[in-house]
Amino acid sequence: GNSVTQMEGPVTLSEEAFLTINCTYTATGYPSLFWYVQYPGEGLQLLLKATKADDKGSNKGFEATYRKETTSFHLEKGSVQVSDSAVYFCALNDNQGGKLIFGQGTELSVKP
Amino acid sequence: DTEVTQTPKHLVMGMTNKKSLKCEQHMGHRAMYWYKQKAKKPPELMFVYSYEKLSINESVPSRFSPECPNSSLLNLHLHALQPEDSALYLCASSQVRLADEQFFGPGTRLTVL
Repeated sequence: GNSVTQMEGPVTLSEEAFLTINCTYTATGYPSLFWYVQYPGEGLQLLLKATKADDKGSNKGFEATYRKETTSFHLEKGSVQVSDSAVYFCALNDNQGGKLIFGQGTELSVKP
Repeated sequence: DTEVTQTPKHLVMGMTNKKSLKCEQHMGHRAMYWYKQKAKKPPELMFVYSYEKLSINESVPSRFSPECPNSSLLNLHLHALQPEDSALYLCASSQVRLADEQFFGPGTRLTVL
């Protein structure tokens, strides 16, 4: 079946550090891939998406590239801020059942 | 309007109570979803409505009863819940069911005593 695997957290970084959160997936066909962010006490917000191989999604300084050859969709940001502290979820939609398959989430804490 | 709204924000109920959660979107989306999220876990899909018809029920206990009165509204009726049902309940919507990104509301924090 379809699945998403994320690196375990929590991840603790200093402000202005480089961020990578690894995400790999298993899916048949050509899924769409997403990163969602959940700030404390809030719902999920769509951060970025990619719908086909080699697409790069980007938003608010975050980027992720859909790599079909490595079945990966790693999230990166060049310089994190304290306000980026949140839980990040990688997800796929298999384009058939309409379900989002989530990874376990990675908690990021950015210290000043 | 690119928002999904949910009411109430917080709800405390006893195991014999009946209550309802409400969700609304005005983006013209035709698919709406209920998720349950426990602390530090990803959301778990409960129900999917597509064009106001229930299309997915993820084997949710009957004490949870969804309702979609129209294309903008989604309700979740709660009755005889258990303490383990305490969680954050999230509503989401998407343009159609397949492939599209889902937009989430802020959630209702439910506590069952």
